[in-house]
Amino acid sequence: EPEVTQTPSHQVTQMGQEVILRCVPISNHLYFYWYRQILGQKVEFLVSFYNNEISEKSEIFDDQFSVERPDGSNFTLKIRSTKLEDSAMYFCAIGTPRTYEQYFGPGTRLTVT
Amino acid sequence: ILNVEQSPQSLHVQEGDSTNFTCSFPSSNFYALHWYRWETAKSPEALFVMTLNGDEKKKGRISATLNTKEGYSYLYIKGSQPEDSATYLCALDSGGYQKVTFGIGTKLQVIP
Repeated sequence: EPEVTQTPSHQVTQMGQEVILRCVPISNHLYFYWYRQILGQKVEFLVSFYNNEISEKSEIFDDQFSVERPDGSNFTLKIRSTKLEDSAMYFCAIGTPRTYEQYFGPGTRLTVT
Repeated sequence: ILNVEQSPQSLHVQEGDSTNFTCSFPSSNFYALHWYRWETAKSPEALFVMTLNGDEKKKGRISATLNTKEGYSYLYIKGSQPEDSATYLCALDSGGYQKVTFGIGTKLQVIP
């Protein structure tokens, strides 16, 4: 099973600050996803990324969010100006569309104060 | 917005009991269905991906069935063990692997 790591495991930031969450898949995958889970709510899809482009994004993924693969390995999610309601667990996943499987990282808990 | 429902939301069973829970989804939006097992402080672990009506998958004591026509999937655990305690998530893949809609999960606690 492919391994995915995420850093940091927990980030605390002040409202209005920029945060960058990192995902490092330990394998060669082309499909990447970000999800989040606000405490007590469902896991929500944010964005999918293929071949260095966004392939689909949800209504949550507004102009405050961006994703990139700056060096061909790390996959990052940036939130430009965090809001209190961005506090959540953020999961990165890698995909193998041929088998429809997605493998999740351990998540980054973001706390916005 | 697609609605993926899971029931029950939480469940306590005695060690050795068998149990099952349900995931229901809009049948018109089906492409694939995922089941994940999620232990606290760990990554969601992929259990099954199911694509065909009537699919049955098995992994050890855990199995799942799928009915795409009526829009539901069952997850069964035979002879529950304390290590089965986790939240079991189902997720509907409705757009060819691009976008996945999750249910709220069923939190299972197995009492020794």
